[in-house]
Amino acid sequence: GAVVSQHPSWVICKSGTSVKIECRSLDFQATTMFWYRQFPKQSLMLMATSNEGSKATYEQGVEKDKFLINHASLTLSTLTVTSAHPEDSSFYICSALHGREPYEQYFGPGTRLTVT
Amino acid sequence: GQNIDQPTEMTATEGAIVQINCTYQTSGFNGLFWYQQHAGEAPTFLSYNVLDGLEEKGRFSSFLSRSKGYSYLLLKELQMKDSASYLCAALDSNYQLIWGAGTKLIIKP
Repeated sequence: GAVVSQHPSWVICKSGTSVKIECRSLDFQATTMFWYRQFPKQSLMLMATSNEGSKATYEQGVEKDKFLINHASLTLSTLTVTSAHPEDSSFYICSALHGREPYEQYFGPGTRLTVT
Repeated sequence: GQNIDQPTEMTATEGAIVQINCTYQTSGFNGLFWYQQHAGEAPTFLSYNVLDGLEEKGRFSSFLSRSKGYSYLLLKELQMKDSASYLCAALDSNYQLIWGAGTKLIIKP
């Protein structure tokens, strides 16, 4: 089956530093990947849609200069949280679209970011 | 606006049946998803309905009524491992997923 990995699975960083999270589709090519953020006991919030070879499309309220997304290849998208603050602490989840149908979206295991 | 409503929490007994309801209001509609999410983990896909009716998949079934903006997830023969949050999500006309807040299901022995 389709597998999506994320690295790291958890990270602790200091305020003001930057953190990069990788999302990889291991056994398929994904032209479209999605980045979500989930706060405790809340629903998933879509941050941005990442298309290979083009600029990401950010959702309203998400700062594109703070959350840098790069989809350099058909199997890799990265999210960099720049100048992290404690309020950026959250569970970040990526997903990759396996095919043309909307239900063919597979989620990575998530990355828990804690900013101290 | 777009909105997904589902109960915050439900409790059921091991071996029993539970139905988790979801109502949605979206700009256009391209299908309804159910995901299971264990604490601290990413969601895993359970079902996708785009036509009215019941889709059965083992112990889990999902139902959709487009005219009523309503779906439910039915879990049979409950096991302790089914304790998780169940997320309802609707796909709008822009193929964007609108997520519910999730229903935390607690299974008691």
